[in-house]
Order: sequence, then structure tokens, then C-alpha cells
Amino acid sequence: GENVEQHPSTLSVQEGDSAVIKCTYSDSASNYFPWYKQELGKRPQLIIDIRSNVGEKKDQRIAVTLNKTAKHFSLHITETQPEDSAVYFCAASPSGGSNYKLTFGKGTLLTVNP
Amino acid sequence: EAQVTQNPRYLITVTGKKLTVTCSQNMNHEYMSWYRQDPGLGLRQIYYSMNVEVTDKGDVPEGYKVSRKEKRNFPLILESPSPNQTSLYFCASFAGSEQYFGPGTRLTVT
Repeated sequence: GENVEQHPSTLSVQEGDSAVIKCTYSDSASNYFPWYKQELGKRPQLIIDIRSNVGEKKDQRIAVTLNKTAKHFSLHITETQPEDSAVYFCAASPSGGSNYKLTFGKGTLLTVNP
Repeated sequence: EAQVTQNPRYLITVTGKKLTVTCSQNMNHEYMSWYRQDPGLGLRQIYYSMNVEVTDKGDVPEGYKVSRKEKRNFPLILESPSPNQTSLYFCASFAGSEQYFGPGTRLTVT
């Protein structure tokens, strides 16, 4: 089955700096890669996703890049703010268009220091 | 308002006592799923359903059952709970990039 590795497990940045979280996956059939943000005590929420026919996707301060050859994808947050502090999870799905069988990374605790 | 609800939100039970955690969505999504979240392990998929009467195993299905008799409901059943099923459980419903998680159910099995 799919295996998703996520690094780093913790990340601390100063407000205004950029943050990068990286994930690798094992199943070359995976073609859907979502990222979730989970604030303390709250439910996960989808913040951005990318499909394998796209190399990069951007939404305001958040961007995701995908390298299918190397089987890795990354989340980039620019101009970080204290409200970006949360746990971020990446995930991979072998058939994201239909059945969303998702395998998650173990998460990255991002702390943005004012 | 788009909503996924779960009940109960908190439950303490004893080993072997059957329980059901309900999940309901009001968005007419075909796809629903159950996850458990444990410290250091992230989220792991238990079961998912692609439509009414269509379910399949995720990565950690042992000890759990599900049913999907109606589109809006996707209950999680623990026939004989054990302490290793103590966890935080999330239900979710998806349609493309429209994805919603429920508020979570914190289950403790003693």
C-alpha cells in the first residue's frame, strides 16, 4: 500500500518568514495530493490540493509543488502569520477522482513566532 | 450551511460493550470516510464509502464495521471495543475539493 513520509515533524519560524513542509510517497499510482491544516482542538480542514497533471498550484500565500518523477510534493507558506500556527498534514490518494482512499503523513507542527 | 455532524462527541465505555458513532452530512456528497487520529501517528483511514451500499476498507479497518444505507449517514460500529481503540475519530464527506470533517468523537475504552 501507499506510504507517506512527512518532514519536518516540527517547524518554528519567525512571523513574515516562509515555511516549507515536504512529503514523499511510495505508490507511483497516486495522483491526488491534498494538504490539511488542523488547529489545536479543532477538526482538519483542506487548505489546498493538487492533482498529478499539475506541477504547481497557488492560493494567496500558500502553494503546493509536485514532482511525480521523484515522488515528492511540498507545501510552501509565505509571509507567515501567527494564525498559521497549526499541525499540517499531507496525504496521497491513488485515485483521487473517484474513491479518495487517503494515506496521510504524520503531520508537521508549525509554530509562527510573533 | 454545509455541515458534518458526529455523535456522541465524547464517550467513555468498557471493553466489549458494543457502540455506534453516528455521522451525518447535509451536502448530498457521495463519498464519506472515517479516520482515527492518534498522537504521533497522524490520521489513519478506517473505512470509506463511495456511495450508498458501497464501502471499502482503509488502512486500519480491524475491529470496526460501517454501513451506508442512506446517502447522508455513515455510522461507525465497534462490535467489541478494546482499549487500543481509544482514539479521536473523525468522519468526513467529500466531493472533489469540497471536503468537510466532522467535529470529532473522543472515545475512551477502559
